[in-house]
Amino acid sequence: QLVESGGGLVQPGGSLRLSCRGSGSGFRNYWMTWVRQAPGKGLEWVANINHDGTEQNYVDSVKGRFSISRDSAQSSMVLQMNSLRGEDTAIYFCARVEWFRLLGSHYYYMDVWGKGTTVIVSS
Amino acid sequence: DIQMTQSPSSLSASVGDRVTLTCRASQSIMTSLNWYQQKPGEAPKLLMYGASRLQTGVPSRFTASGSGTEFSLTISSLQLEDFATYYCQQTLFTSTWTFGQGTRVEI
Repeated sequence: QLVESGGGLVQPGGSLRLSCRGSGSGFRNYWMTWVRQAPGKGLEWVANINHDGTEQNYVDSVKGRFSISRDSAQSSMVLQMNSLRGEDTAIYFCARVEWFRLLGSHYYYMDVWGKGTTVIVSS
Repeated sequence: DIQMTQSPSSLSASVGDRVTLTCRASQSIMTSLNWYQQKPGEAPKLLMYGASRLQTGVPSRFTASGSGTEFSLTISSLQLEDFATYYCQQTLFTSTWTFGQGTRVEI
């Protein structure tokens, strides 16, 4: 199971730190990811991180402002969000990334999701 | 970047109907395509992965197919609990993943 925390109301230009905590074994073996959903809008992938934290990727709109990290010993993942903008207002979901290998290629999919935490950026 | 386009944006159907949703990628993604179902106020739920593989616990009335740039999700006999929004997602490269804009299935 995954549980997000850290959402809230923040002024434009401010910072917020989201956390995602996993229960059960095997957290450290998985890629993890953040996905957000603005009010009334669709899903948007935000960032991902590999199993040991050595690779992080971001959607262009958050590059240089957001940072994803993980603490496998604590079975947790963090999204540090700086220089927040109104368009960052959304529900932020964390998800576990499962994968399988076929003919030399890896296929990734998000099989376990948290319930989300709400971020509102407004003055 | 790879763009994902779903059609239609919404559709109206009745219980028992067979419905097919379409997802198109702007370039070939082989079979790196997943489908999710989301109901209002809930987190997304994985339905299908690898273009055609049924996630454990998902009813067999859901099937999916496709490769390259054209994909589809079919619900063979729509049930009340299937009224929701459906998203496709490409995960070809770990550097960037993309969702389609969603298809809302309404009564």
